[in-house]
Amino acid sequence: GDSVTQMEGPVTLSEEAFLTINCTYTATGYPSLFWYVQYPGEGLQLLLKATKADDKGSNKGFEATYRKETTSFHLEKGSVQVSDSAVYFCALNPLDGNNRLAFGKGNQVVVIP
Amino acid sequence: EAGVTQSPTHLIKTRGQQATLRCSPISGHTSVYWYQQALGLGLQFLLWYDEGEERNRGNFPPRFSGRQFPNYSSELNVNALELEDSALYLCASSSGQHWSNEKLFFGSGTQLSVL
Repeated sequence: GDSVTQMEGPVTLSEEAFLTINCTYTATGYPSLFWYVQYPGEGLQLLLKATKADDKGSNKGFEATYRKETTSFHLEKGSVQVSDSAVYFCALNPLDGNNRLAFGKGNQVVVIP
Repeated sequence: EAGVTQSPTHLIKTRGQQATLRCSPISGHTSVYWYQQALGLGLQFLLWYDEGEERNRGNFPPRFSGRQFPNYSSELNVNALELEDSALYLCASSSGQHWSNEKLFFGSGTQLSVL
């Protein structure tokens, strides 16, 4: 079935460092892809999305490009801040009419001053 | 405008009991989704309601059930609680069925602990 795989383990980095979180997916069709962010004590918020191949989603300095050839949607930010500390989830909507998002397990990002 | 609200924030139950979790969607949203966020397992889709009807269900046993009321708010009921039901239960809403480009708005969740 449709699924999303995120790199294992938390990510700890210093302020102003470059952030990459890997996300790969398995889908039978042409899904829409999303990154959600969960700040401490809050629900998930949509960070960015891409709906077709080669689309680039961007928001708050974060970017991710829909790569159909590598079935990937890696999240990047050039210079992280302490306020970016959160859990990041990659997700896909297979667009099969079932309206079911498939989420990755999430990555805890900790930015140290 | 109020976001998605969930109650209670925390719920403690013992094995075998029943739990009821509540969700109020954003005003104007007709679709409500329930997800389970268990430690180490990410988010697992539970249920989708739209216009008062159950539209889709995830791979959970029948003791997980729910309903959507005429005002589009929703309840999730978990019967015969088991220890592994301990998780954060997230509710989300959206404005319609065809939401490939729409946002999904999440509440802050109900933390259910089964002792």
